Amino acid sequence: QVQLKESGPGLMQPSETLSLTCTVSGFSLTSNGVGWVRQPLGKGLVWMGTIWAGGSTNYNSAVQSRLSISRDTSKSQVFLKMNSLQPEDTGTYYCARQVRYYDGYYHAYYFDYWGQGVMVTVSS
Amino acid sequence: DIQMTQSPTSLAASVGESVTITCLASEDIYGSLVWYQQKPGKSPQLLIYGATILEDGIPSRFSGSGSDTQYSLKINSLQPEDFASYYCQNGLSTPWTFGGGTKLELK
Repeated sequence: QVQLKESGPGLMQPSETLSLTCTVSGFSLTSNGVGWVRQPLGKGLVWMGTIWAGGSTNYNSAVQSRLSISRDTSKSQVFLKMNSLQPEDTGTYYCARQVRYYDGYYHAYYFDYWGQGVMVTVSS
Repeated sequence: DIQMTQSPTSLAASVGESVTITCLASEDIYGSLVWYQQKPGKSPQLLIYGATILEDGIPSRFSGSGSDTQYSLKINSLQPEDFASYYCQNGLSTPWTFGGGTKLELK
């Protein structure tokens, strides 16, 4: 079955670079996209970026200058790297499979499977 | 960017009641609306995509409707496990924006 699991450090210092790994199973990274979504504690969901099946990426402009998403298809892993961390980057980071629905006229991109999330705290 | 505005932000209801949550997009998203449910301490779960299409395994008491800029999620005959937060998402174009969420609480 489809599974995603995030891993990475839980505590970071301001100005450091965050590195997270999303290990997937049950599907191929060359067939589906994987996105990263952040959720500050007690707040809503914010899409950060996506790496698509073909390897191209899209980023949220709010973090684009600091964010990089890459992958290793042989290991079924997707990586998030974000530099210049600030306390406001604190939150739970989820990776999720992103798929496209298309009925021949309209389409919708959505996240159908999510990882359990990893909590990242940025504090000195 | 397409802004997604959910209302209400919180809602109290009883088991067995029906509730409706609305989501307003800042521009026409042509039915590309997605709904998620999130329980405390858990990751979001896909409920509905394409505004009306129920994800496999989701109970039929959940339904979605709407078009253009206005969308709704209706939950009939609330069950104890339905008390959670709900989010809508713009599925039309990047950035994939989410509504602020609606917290459904037990009255």
